[in-house]
Amino acid sequence: TVLTQSPALAVSPGERITISCKASESVSTRVHWYQQKPGQQPKLLIYKASNLASGVPARFSGSGSGTDFTLTIDPVEADDTATYFCQQSWNGPNTFGAGTNLELK
Amino acid sequence: VQLVESGGGLVQPGKSLKLSCSASGFTFSTYGMHWIRQAPGKGLDWVAYISNRNIPVYADAVKGRFTISSDNAKNTLYLQLNSLKSEDTAIYYCARSGTPMGMDYFDNWGQGVMVTVSS
Repeated sequence: TVLTQSPALAVSPGERITISCKASESVSTRVHWYQQKPGQQPKLLIYKASNLASGVPARFSGSGSGTDFTLTIDPVEADDTATYFCQQSWNGPNTFGAGTNLELK
Repeated sequence: VQLVESGGGLVQPGKSLKLSCSASGFTFSTYGMHWIRQAPGKGLDWVAYISNRNIPVYADAVKGRFTISSDNAKNTLYLQLNSLKSEDTAIYYCARSGTPMGMDYFDNWGQGVMVTVSS
């Protein structure tokens, strides 16, 4: 299953942003989101489309089912500069999207 | 939860390497574990999984060349890399399954270890 993510974003602190992840076939709600800051390992943000991982601020939220999924950050903070990856675990081997780079102005 | 990888380095094509991941802070034997890699400047690729019943699953790209194993007495996960190719060059992360019985998602990651395959 191929996951296609939205392109890079450059936003100002305080804005509301959405990052999309489209699956080439239905993946139910088995989409998970990760944040990777430069030089660090990925960190789980959202699991099973809409569940907030432990310790993750409530500014992060996820939604979607089937083939269309969204990660929302509201409001964006300067510390959110990172690459965001979606991952599916419904069809065959786990696969990841190519990532969306988020830059803060 | 803490995961610490070791064993990376520079290796020639065709040679072998063994990675280790030392786990602490949770009951290692009850969780499935994964290896995931990231080529320099690229995205994430799932490599292998071992269930809490020691059943392995591999990505097609490494099947027959890599072997995942675990030692519950040592709380350690391993990845044996054989017949290495230049395209195996990557940071290798170990990660814990988010649920004890499934492959769903990865709720804790190690800091990663670099493997460079080059002559």
